[in-house]
Amino acid sequence: GDSVTQTEGLVTLTEGLPVMLNCTYQSTYSPFLFWYVQHLNEAPKLLLKSFTDNKRPEHQGFHATLHKSSSSFHLQKSSAQLSDSALYYCALSSNYNVLYFGSGTKLTVEP
Amino acid sequence: ETAVFQTPNYHVTQVGNEVSFNCKQTLGHDTMYWYKQDSKKLLKIMFSYNNKQLIVNETVPRRFSPQSSDKAHLNLRIKSVEPEDSAVYLCASSSGGAGDTQYFGPGTRLLVL
Repeated sequence: GDSVTQTEGLVTLTEGLPVMLNCTYQSTYSPFLFWYVQHLNEAPKLLLKSFTDNKRPEHQGFHATLHKSSSSFHLQKSSAQLSDSALYYCALSSNYNVLYFGSGTKLTVEP
Repeated sequence: ETAVFQTPNYHVTQVGNEVSFNCKQTLGHDTMYWYKQDSKKLLKIMFSYNNKQLIVNETVPRRFSPQSSDKAHLNLRIKSVEPEDSAVYLCASSSGGAGDTQYFGPGTRLLVL
């Protein structure tokens, strides 16, 4: 079946340092991969999604590259900001377009 | 305003009671979803509807029943709540095409005493 693994439950960084959140997946199809971000007491919102033509999606300084050979879609940003503190979910969709989420990574950026 | 709306924001009830949650989307989408976010923040799909038809039921207990009157509305009824039903219930919608973005509502937080 479809599944997503996020190995880090909690990541704490100092402002200005690079961010990398890991995401690997398993699927019997060729899924679409997503990163959703959820700020405290808010709804999850789309941050990035994979393209079918191997382009690298970017948004708000974040980017992710889909590597089919290693089944990975890691999220990266060159310099963390205080406002990046949130819960980040990696997710995949394949059949019927439902989302299967990883367990989430709580990112805390400190001054 | 085009978005996904959910009511109520918060509901407290006792074990064995029946509850209903409402979801409406004004995005013109054909597909709607219910997800459950538990106390550990795990997010799991419960149901998916396309144009009022049930498409996906992810082995949810039978006390949960979704109801759709039209493609813009998807409600969720829980017949006899259990303590483990305490969670945030998130409604989402999308155009339904492969890889389409899902837009989430603010959620309904349920507390079962």
